Amino acid sequence: EDQVTQSPEALRLQEGESSSLNCSYTVSGLRGLFWYRQDPGKGPEFLFTLYSAGEEKEKERLKATLTKKESFLHITAPKPEDSATYLCAVPMLTGKLIFGQGTTLQVKP
Amino acid sequence: NAGVMQNPRHLVRRRGQEARLRCSPMKGHSHVYWYRQLPEEGLKFMVYLQKENIIDESGMPKERFSAEFPKEGPSILRIQQVVRGDSAAYFCASSPGAGSTDTQYFGPGTRLTVL
Repeated sequence: EDQVTQSPEALRLQEGESSSLNCSYTVSGLRGLFWYRQDPGKGPEFLFTLYSAGEEKEKERLKATLTKKESFLHITAPKPEDSATYLCAVPMLTGKLIFGQGTTLQVKP
Repeated sequence: NAGVMQNPRHLVRRRGQEARLRCSPMKGHSHVYWYRQLPEEGLKFMVYLQKENIIDESGMPKERFSAEFPKEGPSILRIQQVVRGDSAAYFCASSPGAGSTDTQYFGPGTRLTVL
């Protein structure tokens, strides 16, 4: 069964304390992997698409990487405004996305 | 505003009533996806539509739920005879093409509360 698992469920960091979020997946034929950010009461906001193992993408304090079994979202020197739930998702052949449960990040000043 | 639009943003219904949720995709997008986010749960796929066609409805409950995306106008997710378990946030996403790796852009969601 196609499955996406994120860890940890929740993460508390001090401002400036770097860390990584994990997204592991078991799918038949990976077509890509998406990262989204979701703020409370809002829809997911697109961050990155990774297509193949070894690929990396960066945006401000965020860097996403992909291996054959998992993806990491590295957060460097986070700020309080980075507090949100981060979601990863894998597309199926029809295009529907299978989402992980998300990691809720809280960055304290 | 070029983003995905959903209305209403909040909807309150009593058990047994009907709920209609609307989604207008981004300009130039003809592919619409509906997802549901139950309290304390992740986003779950419901249905994928193109204009006048349902492509994948594997996530739709068999009863009471239906979706359409007419040639003109927004996509509609319809829930008949709502029950308390239907209370959730319903998100619509759109993409420009049919490729499985085309980015899906999400709307702000409709929060349905069933009393």
